[in-house]
Amino acid sequence: GQQLNQSPQSMFIQEGEDVSMNCTSSSIFNTWLWYKQDPGEGPVLLIALYKAGELTSNGRLTAQFGITRKDSFLNISASIPSDVGIYFCAGQLGWYSGGGADGLTFGKGTHLIIQP
Amino acid sequence: DVKVTQSSRYLVKRTGEKVFLECVQDMDHENMFWYRQDPGLGLRLIYFSYDVKMKEKGDIPEGYSVSREKKERFSLILESASTNQTSMYLCASSLGDRENSPLHFGNGTRLTVT
Repeated sequence: GQQLNQSPQSMFIQEGEDVSMNCTSSSIFNTWLWYKQDPGEGPVLLIALYKAGELTSNGRLTAQFGITRKDSFLNISASIPSDVGIYFCAGQLGWYSGGGADGLTFGKGTHLIIQP
Repeated sequence: DVKVTQSSRYLVKRTGEKVFLECVQDMDHENMFWYRQDPGLGLRLIYFSYDVKMKEKGDIPEGYSVSREKKERFSLILESASTNQTSMYLCASSLGDRENSPLHFGNGTRLTVT
């Protein structure tokens, strides 16, 4: 099946620094999603990307859908303590492309730790 | 905003018990999902449903069953709980009429089987 490689696995950064993480796949996707999960909570959708080359921002977060459709990155600018958590990427093929309802593949997550 | 509600945040059950995890969504979504999340293994799909009374196996259905009698409710059943089913369980839902509708997750149920 499809696999997503998400990197880095964890990041230790200082408050105020910019953060960058990415996901790569051996297969193409029609949608890339980025989620954040706080400890003890469920993942929350941050950004959804639907078109190759698309660059989308949500506050201090910016994500891009790679031109090859096999990768995506997420940047966080000027990190703050509440950015701590685990960030997941997910690639989605979509119903009509043969992905079906289960056509969603998750990365293993990037654990972001911020040192004050 | 989409609201996916899981009935319990924490559950402790004994080996062999029958366990019900309930999930309700309020956005009239067709698709509903159950995942489990374990350290180092990420999110793994147990079962999903794309319509009332319909269910499909995911990647790890063994030891689980599901029920979808109403569109808004999707239940995960552990017929006879075992210690290796100790995990964080996440319910999610999405629209069924869009090609790439993102999943929206509940807050999770942390199940411990002793």
